[in-house]
Amino acid sequence: DAKTTQPTSMDCAEGRAANLPCNHSTISGNEYVYWYRQIHSQGPQYIIHGLKNNETNEMASLIITEDRKSSTLILPHATLRDTAVYYCIVSRNPRQLTFGSGTQLTVLP
Amino acid sequence: SAVISQKPSRDICQRGTSLTIQCQVDSQVTMMFWYRQQPGQSLTLIATANQGSEATYESGFVIDKFPISRPNLTFSTLTVSNMSPEDSSIYLCSVEESYEQYFGPGTRLTVT
Repeated sequence: DAKTTQPTSMDCAEGRAANLPCNHSTISGNEYVYWYRQIHSQGPQYIIHGLKNNETNEMASLIITEDRKSSTLILPHATLRDTAVYYCIVSRNPRQLTFGSGTQLTVLP
Repeated sequence: SAVISQKPSRDICQRGTSLTIQCQVDSQVTMMFWYRQQPGQSLTLIATANQGSEATYESGFVIDKFPISRPNLTFSTLTVSNMSPEDSSIYLCSVEESYEQYFGPGTRLTVT
């Protein structure tokens, strides 16, 4: 599975959009981009996934570039409860997830 | 969505002993996964457990150290054997359903 690169940490003001980038330049055609988050002392939580097209659900939007070498997770109106470590994972199989170090997002009041 | 519970939620154990962690799912699932999260680190997959067959272990993890049972489609156990302080971690189980993995709350293990 392709490796991903994420910033170590990011801050975001409460109520503003949080845009979390992820680079996956070695992604292959049949690999999906998955996003999970882990709030402190809890198990990880699925957020969203996509292959080529942009995706949106009740939690977030996923924007994948046309060449698929990078993506951005957007939390449209960040709240304090969105403070967590966000993991970008590239995999052919949702049962085979390799967690990297992720991005610590801190939402500031 | 699957709901997963784990027991115990935390434990403090002495080195050389063993601890068995239980994972219960509220629906029948084919595969269950066990992860380890060492302090300040990300998650690492230990093994995949299918009902009715031997678990499949990832590189660096062996059955003698982390025996797994999967007696039915809603339950699994992970045993951490002959513990050392390096085994101090959070152990999590998960299941996959419709492209999403659902994780339990984790078992926080401290080995003294």
